[in-house]
Amino acid sequence: DGGITQSPKYLFRKEGQNVTLSCEQNLNHDAMYWYRQDPGQGLRLIYYSQIVNDFQKGDIAEGYSVSREKKESFPLTVTSAQKNPTAFYLCASSMSSGGGYTQYFGPGTRLTVL
Amino acid sequence: GENVEQHPSTLSVQEGDSAVIKCTYSDSASNYFPWYKQELGKGPQLIIDIRSNVGEKKDQRIAVTLNKTAKHFSLHITETQPEDSAVYFCAASNRNAGGTSYGKLTFGQGTILTVHP
Repeated sequence: DGGITQSPKYLFRKEGQNVTLSCEQNLNHDAMYWYRQDPGQGLRLIYYSQIVNDFQKGDIAEGYSVSREKKESFPLTVTSAQKNPTAFYLCASSMSSGGGYTQYFGPGTRLTVL
Repeated sequence: GENVEQHPSTLSVQEGDSAVIKCTYSDSASNYFPWYKQELGKGPQLIIDIRSNVGEKKDQRIAVTLNKTAKHFSLHITETQPEDSAVYFCAASNRNAGGTSYGKLTFGQGTILTVHP
């Protein structure tokens, strides 16, 4: 059963704590992405990775960090430097990072800062 | 960079009616336009996409039209059903962009579609 998995589905964090969101894909895709979704807004790109051991900042990278040590995995860390981290986080992947390749999304992780 | 505007933000129709959602984009180099459907608490799912070398594409009850001169594209859903109720997002990217402009998808703000039985 191919696809993208994200865990956990719900995550609660105290202020000042770092937290890591998991994203795994078994689609053999080269490119992976992290988006943030807030109510009433479109998806905003946090980070993306075109290939293993390489990643670039998106539009709202401040307060976030990523790693891409394996093709299948692209974890996102929300650091204490992120001022307003409560949001719905979506991971996606595509065969290649070139434009025109369909991005497939995972089910998302809802992060709430207490 | 690219900017995508989507209208309306909410749309309410009766079952069986048609629904139309419109998006405008700013970058004339954009040439790939996907539409995503997002159900509550789930990730977006691609429902249809169009490339700039065609003006219209259909898939059963769903169609997308593209006007490159006016820089807008629209999603048309005919014979709507309650299960069509969801948030719909349009997006745009440049398939030929390379390097740091790799082909980034820029999303519209979303349209909440409600289909009443």
